[in-house]
Amino acid sequence: QVQLVESGGGVVQPGRSLRLSCAVSGFTFSSYALHWVRQAPGERPEWVAFISLDGSGKSYADSVKGRFTISRDNSKNTLYLQVNSLRAEDTAVYFCAREWSPHYFDYWGQGTLVAVSS
Amino acid sequence: EIVLTQSPATLSLSPGERATLSCRASQSVSIYLAWYQQKVGQAPRLLIYDASKRATGIPARFSGSGAGTDFILTISSLEPEDSAVYYCQHRAVWPLTFGGGTKVEIK
Repeated sequence: QVQLVESGGGVVQPGRSLRLSCAVSGFTFSSYALHWVRQAPGERPEWVAFISLDGSGKSYADSVKGRFTISRDNSKNTLYLQVNSLRAEDTAVYFCAREWSPHYFDYWGQGTLVAVSS
Repeated sequence: EIVLTQSPATLSLSPGERATLSCRASQSVSIYLAWYQQKVGQAPRLLIYDASKRATGIPARFSGSGAGTDFILTISSLEPEDSAVYYCQHRAVWPLTFGGGTKVEIK
């Protein structure tokens, strides 16, 4: 069955970096665009980044542009999010999600928590 | 950016009752709106896309309607497992945004 499993989250100090990963199984990875969506505690989900099937197309929320980089390795069935210059307001559960139809999200991972605190 | 405003914030109903949730967009999104259900500790689940199309495996008691700026999610006869927060999301333009959610409580 379709599975997306995030990893790489943790507690980090402001200004530091992390690399989040999303390992995918159960579908043809290279046939789907993918997204990162985050959700701060008690808040609505916030779309973060998009990457096209082959990685040539990318889009970012203004709140992360210039600090976050989305990438994918179709040979490893893995999606990445490099998060740099972390701020307290980046604290959230980060979900990877498969794109449907386009730009909706039909399958999600369980999320990985990023907590930015000094 | 397109702002999605959901109402009411909370809906408290009994099993078998009809739930009507609203999502209003700050500008037209055509039919490019989805609804998600999120239970505590879980990721959101896609229910409806393109305003009225049910996603795979979604029960027929969930239906969506609307176009332009005003959208409705209807749960025709509430089941206990429908207790959750429901979010709308548009895909009309970048950035994709979500509404603030409606919490549905089952009495």
